[in-house]
Amino acid sequence: GQNIDQPTEMTATEGAIVQINCTYQTSGFNGLFWYQQHAGEAPTFLSYNVLDGLEEKGRFSSFLSRSKGYSYLLLKELQMKDSASYLCAVLFGQLTFGSGTQLTVLP
Amino acid sequence: EADIYQTPRYLVIGTGKKITLECSQTMGHDKMYWYQQDPGMELHLIHYSYGVNSTEKGDLSSESTVSRIRTEHFPLTLESARPSHTSQYLCASSFRGPGQNFYEQYFGPGTRLTVT
Repeated sequence: GQNIDQPTEMTATEGAIVQINCTYQTSGFNGLFWYQQHAGEAPTFLSYNVLDGLEEKGRFSSFLSRSKGYSYLLLKELQMKDSASYLCAVLFGQLTFGSGTQLTVLP
Repeated sequence: EADIYQTPRYLVIGTGKKITLECSQTMGHDKMYWYQQDPGMELHLIHYSYGVNSTEKGDLSSESTVSRIRTEHFPLTLESARPSHTSQYLCASSFRGPGQNFYEQYFGPGTRLTVT
């Protein structure tokens, strides 16, 4: 079976750094994706990790440890527009999504 | 970048009606998907296709059906709508971008369905 866990909600202040964790237990693994989804909108792709380590892309970075079944998304210099749900998804055959972490950025 | 379209964006319909949700993409992607998402919940894969005349059921048991007669078109049909079908339906296609060694899923804007 597939099991993906993320915190339900997080709150942070504009300009700060926030780390959103994701742990997974899946029957196989071909990579992990992070998506951003604003309320009422479609998910948009943020990052993909298949090897252990950190992938950096501007203000966003994603980390993967396959041996621990663990990933995190790091958001730096938070902006109000970063308020959204962040979805962790594991690829094995097809994508299995976590329920998402609702991030609220406060002024 | 992919362009993927879904119609209608919003639909309110009575129980027992037959409905078809349309999904089209203009980039010639072979792989297409349908997901169901309730508010604040995870996306559940209900159907996918690897190309023309290929359709597969996803993890979530669904009373819907799909067809893939043309590459660009992947409609989803509910033969008899029920209130339990009330949800958001997201269509996606996947592609490998320049320099990427993986397929990225690109989502359409979704159809919000309410069955009364």
